[in-house]
Amino acid sequence: GIQVEQSPPDLILQEGANSTLRCNFSDSVNNLQWFHQNPWGQLINLFYIPSGTKQNGRLSATTVATERYSLLYISSSQTTDSGVYFCAVEETGGGADGLTFGKGTHLIIQP
Amino acid sequence: DAGVTQSPTHLIKTRGQQVTLRCSPISGHKSVSWYQQVLGQGPQFIFQYYEKEERGRGNFPDRFSARQFPNYSSELNVNALLLGDSALYLCASSLYGQSTEAFFGQGTRLTVV
Repeated sequence: GIQVEQSPPDLILQEGANSTLRCNFSDSVNNLQWFHQNPWGQLINLFYIPSGTKQNGRLSATTVATERYSLLYISSSQTTDSGVYFCAVEETGGGADGLTFGKGTHLIIQP
Repeated sequence: DAGVTQSPTHLIKTRGQQVTLRCSPISGHKSVSWYQQVLGQGPQFIFQYYEKEERGRGNFPDRFSARQFPNYSSELNVNALLLGDSALYLCASSLYGQSTEAFFGQGTRLTVV
């Protein structure tokens, strides 16, 4: 099956800093999503981005499908951005195998 | 608009017991998927249902089963519970299943003692 690697595994930043989270995947995909998991376990949708670039406020994401990676940018970090960020992909031609998640990036924003 | 709703939110069961978890998808969505998330890991795919039929199954034992009802809601059943089944169980709703954006419920936290 498809492999998903996220980096870095942990990231500690001061409030106001910018950050870049990376997701590498091993095969072609027809779905790629970024999620933020809050302390209560809820997965919050950030982007549905199998290819191209999208922006939503302080967050933006870029997926380069031909090179099999995606980047999530967080600018002017706030303490509420803390949590775990997951990249999840659906392999092209993989049948109904659902989303394959990476292990996540644990982000801590300090005041 | 209501999002994906799951019940119950928390559950404590004893080893060997059986458990049923429930999920209602977003109105208009026809596909429901189930995931298991153990502490410190990303969610793992268990099942996908579309139009009341199983379309995909992850690498989980036969103790895990699910079904989807005519109103597109779904149940996940786990028999003969093991301590290792303790996890957050997440339900995802999507329009068609494959290649469409998935939206997750708040999850059911199952503890097996």
